Amino acid sequence: LAKTTQPISMDSYEGQEVNITCSHNNIATNDYITWYQQFPSQGPRFIIQGYKTKVTNEVASLFIPADRKSSTLSLPRVSLSDTAVYYCLVGDRAGNNRKLIWGLGTSLAVNP
Amino acid sequence: GAVVSQHPSWVICKSGTSVKIECRSLDFQATTMFWYRQFPKQSLMLMATSNEGSKATYEQGVEKDKFLINHASLTLSTLTVTSAHPEDSSFYICSAAPGQGARSPLHFGNGTRLTVT
Repeated sequence: LAKTTQPISMDSYEGQEVNITCSHNNIATNDYITWYQQFPSQGPRFIIQGYKTKVTNEVASLFIPADRKSSTLSLPRVSLSDTAVYYCLVGDRAGNNRKLIWGLGTSLAVNP
Repeated sequence: GAVVSQHPSWVICKSGTSVKIECRSLDFQATTMFWYRQFPKQSLMLMATSNEGSKATYEQGVEKDKFLINHASLTLSTLTVTSAHPEDSSFYICSAAPGQGARSPLHFGNGTRLTVT
């Protein structure tokens, strides 16, 4: 199972775009990259998932270079409510194998 | 979207008693559910994998007799903390996915805050 490395914390201001990069040098061919958001005393919430290139949904974009050894979560125009911990996970979720290694995540603080 | 419900959201119990936490998949069936524990300012730690109709698989260092898991139906898994002690106080979270394919991400319950006095 591939491990990931992310910055421990980031600071931003309302309205700015925030990019959080995650390193996963040992990513395997079958691995997908998934990002979750967690608020205090709540379970993680799925944000976005990708395998390669770029993925965009209504809340974020995920950029994955060709070598897939890293990925960048992009949050456009953040607001105070985006203050949370963001986790990058890499794993093979084929079949019943959904054991993912959770790192410490990136604690994002959005300031007014 | 897929919804995972966890109950209760918080519980306070006395040392030596047992506490049961329920995890339900509301709009999908889950043959597998996962139980995590999270201490303050720390990341999620996988405790066990709950398998419908069979025994749970526990991670190394997790006592199966202390953390009893029952997955009796495709929509319900329960975690019972037996003979709870103050060191069992933590945030317990369950997760499940609507499908088994690689495109089916995990969805999480809102967690249960257990405080053992």
